[in-house]
Amino acid sequence: DTAVSQTPKYLVTQMGNDKSIKCEQNLGHDTMYWYKQDSKKFLKIMFSYNNKELIINETVPNRFSPKSPDKAHLNLHINSLELGDSAVYFCASNTGTGASPLHFGNGTRLTVT
Amino acid sequence: TQLLEQSPQFLSIQEGENLTVYCNSSSVFSSLQWYRQEPGEGPVLLVTVVTGGEVKKLKRLTFQFGDARKDSSLHITAAQPGDTGLYLCAGWGSSNTGKLIFGQGTTLQVKP
Repeated sequence: DTAVSQTPKYLVTQMGNDKSIKCEQNLGHDTMYWYKQDSKKFLKIMFSYNNKELIINETVPNRFSPKSPDKAHLNLHINSLELGDSAVYFCASNTGTGASPLHFGNGTRLTVT
Repeated sequence: TQLLEQSPQFLSIQEGENLTVYCNSSSVFSSLQWYRQEPGEGPVLLVTVVTGGEVKKLKRLTFQFGDARKDSSLHITAAQPGDTGLYLCAGWGSSNTGKLIFGQGTTLQVKP
């Protein structure tokens, strides 16, 4: 059973297009996150949601819009894609308490041409 | 802004050698975690350290949290090719921001 699953695994698209990445967790966690990993492998938090409510928005351009229809799902929609958006996007979840570890999906590699 | 500086960024060693990876900050963290990431996969938790001065061992891996809770280290004894991967330290801020801040990562290659 995959704990945190994200789709698609690879996404290749042209500048200016709009795309979505979906994420689902079956761990019963209350908190979900989106992280961006750049070409140097640096992981930076973008958003976090707790029980469908936005908790963290790390000064991400408003072309990025997360949506959480329920606490098991957190999707990421990106408008007007730019070359600099190329990266690996990771979804993660945890219980949201204390030093609860993050459980990551396997990432979505987005390439904007 | 809390930052974590990890060093070295790259490490290539022979099987059987020992190595240490460092994770430093000028900020205090309530806890630090170490993750390992393999190509095409997400990071996976190795350990969480919470108390200043704490030492935890996971087989050949030894993790230490600094007394002041500003730094941590990962020591691997007798490295094996299976240890190859990206090692990431990550800290939960002391102000309970709900953010897990990552270091830049250390890419380890262990040659047989």
